[in-house]
Amino acid sequence: QQQVKQSPQSLIVQKGGISIINCAYENTAFDYFPWYQQFPGKGPALLIAIRPDVSEKKEGRFTISFNKSAKQFSLHIMDSQPGDSATYFCAASSAGGGADGLTFGKGTHLIIQP
Amino acid sequence: NAGVTQTPKFQVLKTGQSMTLQCAQDMNHEYMSWYRQDPGMGLRLIHYSVGAGITDQGEVPNGYNVSRSTTEDFPLRLLSAAPSQTSVYFCASSYVLAGTYEQYFGPGTRLTVT
Repeated sequence: QQQVKQSPQSLIVQKGGISIINCAYENTAFDYFPWYQQFPGKGPALLIAIRPDVSEKKEGRFTISFNKSAKQFSLHIMDSQPGDSATYFCAASSAGGGADGLTFGKGTHLIIQP
Repeated sequence: NAGVTQTPKFQVLKTGQSMTLQCAQDMNHEYMSWYRQDPGMGLRLIHYSVGAGITDQGEVPNGYNVSRSTTEDFPLRLLSAAPSQTSVYFCASSYVLAGTYEQYFGPGTRLTVT
């Protein structure tokens, strides 16, 4: 049972374009939705996160859009750069802060072409 | 701060052997977790701990044991290794502060079971 579904599996975007990755969840108890970035051979690193009381959060070129009624959230990377090429994971947790760990999507391999 | 450290970086085991993957953090975080990452599967939670002496099972706990005798350390034990346990293992630590929750991941241990 996959509780967080992520799409697409892979994505190629031209430099300067907008990269969009989507996630959908099933568990209505989830109350924290982070995105992680992972480079080859490294552990995931937190990129940006949102709670369901807001519909959008922006940090630099990265924006999370959140639709509570549809149980969907997405990551937008504006002005995508070759250095953004990585694997991106959405995740979700409940228990008011994720003390019981994160449920991850399967990941999106993003390639930014120069 | 060293953050989250994991040893070893690489390990090859034969079927039936046992071993312990070490994880330590120096950030005084209450929460620690173990994940495994397999191609196309994202990260899946094995076990987690909300404090010293307290552990619980995640999504894929079978074949693994954990204990948490100190805040800093959270070792993962493979009792009798199987080829299905070939994976990259990540340890993470986290805190909750004013509704903000961030998991810090270690660099990972790549395990091959033959």
